Amino acid sequence: AQSVTQPDARVTVSEGASLQLRCKYSYSATPYLFWYVQYPRQGLQLLLKYYSGDPVVQGVNSFEAEFSKSNSSFHLQKASVHWSDSAVYFCALALLSGSFNKLTFGAGTRLAVCP
Amino acid sequence: DMKVTQMPRYLIKRMGENVLLECGQDMSHETMYWYRQDPGLGLQLIYISYDVDSNSEGDIPKGYRVSRKKREHFSLILDSAKTNQTSVYFCASSRGNSGNTLYFGEGSRLIVV
Repeated sequence: AQSVTQPDARVTVSEGASLQLRCKYSYSATPYLFWYVQYPRQGLQLLLKYYSGDPVVQGVNSFEAEFSKSNSSFHLQKASVHWSDSAVYFCALALLSGSFNKLTFGAGTRLAVCP
Repeated sequence: DMKVTQMPRYLIKRMGENVLLECGQDMSHETMYWYRQDPGLGLQLIYISYDVDSNSEGDIPKGYRVSRKKREHFSLILDSAKTNQTSVYFCASSRGNSGNTLYFGEGSRLIVV
């Protein structure tokens, strides 16, 4: 069965610093991979997604993620964070076939950006 | 306007009472979902609906049932709520094919006492 692991439950960075949120997945083939963000008292919103091709994908608000098949990872990055980036970030995967758009989510990483 | 709307947003129920959570979407999406979110567990899929009257169990369906009589509307029903069903419930919708973006509602916080 597929799974998603986000090893860091909480990350704290200073405003203007760079950011990496880690995501590891377990699946025998290449899945669809996603990063969603959840701002306080809101639902999840898509940041970016990867299907195939260039392993570096660009998303909204200058976020990007890099897919690594050899490491089974899909880490989220941002060069310079803003206080408004404080939120919970979820990595997720969907299978290319079979389970019809059934997403498996990681437990989430809570990001706190300090002034 | 690409919106998923959940009602009610907050609900307190006694153990054993019935609970109805409602979800609507204005995007004519075929697929709709109910997830629950608990601290440290991320989102867990309760039920998925592929279209009207075409529902499938997700990973944690026990204690829940769903109803989808119109494409735009998807209900989650708890018959005889239990305290361990205290959670935040999210509805989402997407176009049918795998890998498409899910659009989420703002969540319904249920407390069962």
